[in-house]
Amino acid sequence: QKEVEQNSGPLSVPEGAIASLNCTYSDRGSQSFFWYRQYSGKSPELIMFIYSNGDKEDGRFTAQLNKASQYVSLLIRDSQPSDSATYLCAVRRGGTASKLTFGTGTRLQVTL
Amino acid sequence: GAVVSQHPSWVICKSGTSVKIECRSLDFQATTMFWYRQFPKQSLMLMATSNEGSKATYEQGVEKDKFLINHASLTLSTLTVTSAHPEDSSFYICSARDSAREGEQFFGPGTRLTVL
Repeated sequence: QKEVEQNSGPLSVPEGAIASLNCTYSDRGSQSFFWYRQYSGKSPELIMFIYSNGDKEDGRFTAQLNKASQYVSLLIRDSQPSDSATYLCAVRRGGTASKLTFGTGTRLQVTL
Repeated sequence: GAVVSQHPSWVICKSGTSVKIECRSLDFQATTMFWYRQFPKQSLMLMATSNEGSKATYEQGVEKDKFLINHASLTLSTLTVTSAHPEDSSFYICSARDSAREGEQFFGPGTRLTVL
């Protein structure tokens, strides 16, 4: 079992729709959860992080965390073609000096 | 703020040569830097954690004698790929932890290494 699992996609959504990206993790000791966006050939860019159960909203992005189910998701409202990228879920077990463990990413395609 | 640079952005070298990649935090001090490697269509794999003034901590399966890491200052870490071979061709990305800003990691733009 992979430590962090994501559907590789591609996930295709029309412009203006809501994109829903999912991630599950195996380590119940994980404390911090991150979503990164990676464009082809570029390095990851942090979109959001969430530490507590529930929802966290930032602009068009909402992260949802359910530690009991070991599940974290990212919702992108009003999807734009510029949102087309690979979205990486990452988890961290310890404090801020601890390492991140990444999933393989979900490729999102926003179509016109 | 929280800008991390890498140099070079890409490098092509012959098999058997060594390549040094620099990672700098431009506007913050980074006590901890991380080095990742990413092969095509795969996720980031952590290679090592670099702490300023001390030896790096390598992940299982990463050869410390092949991938030399030096973190001599709070703004600079270097990764040297020694005796590079074609299988070392990859996208190498560093990240730096800003200890003054919730400690989150910020990634550099990456270095694409091609070994002929």
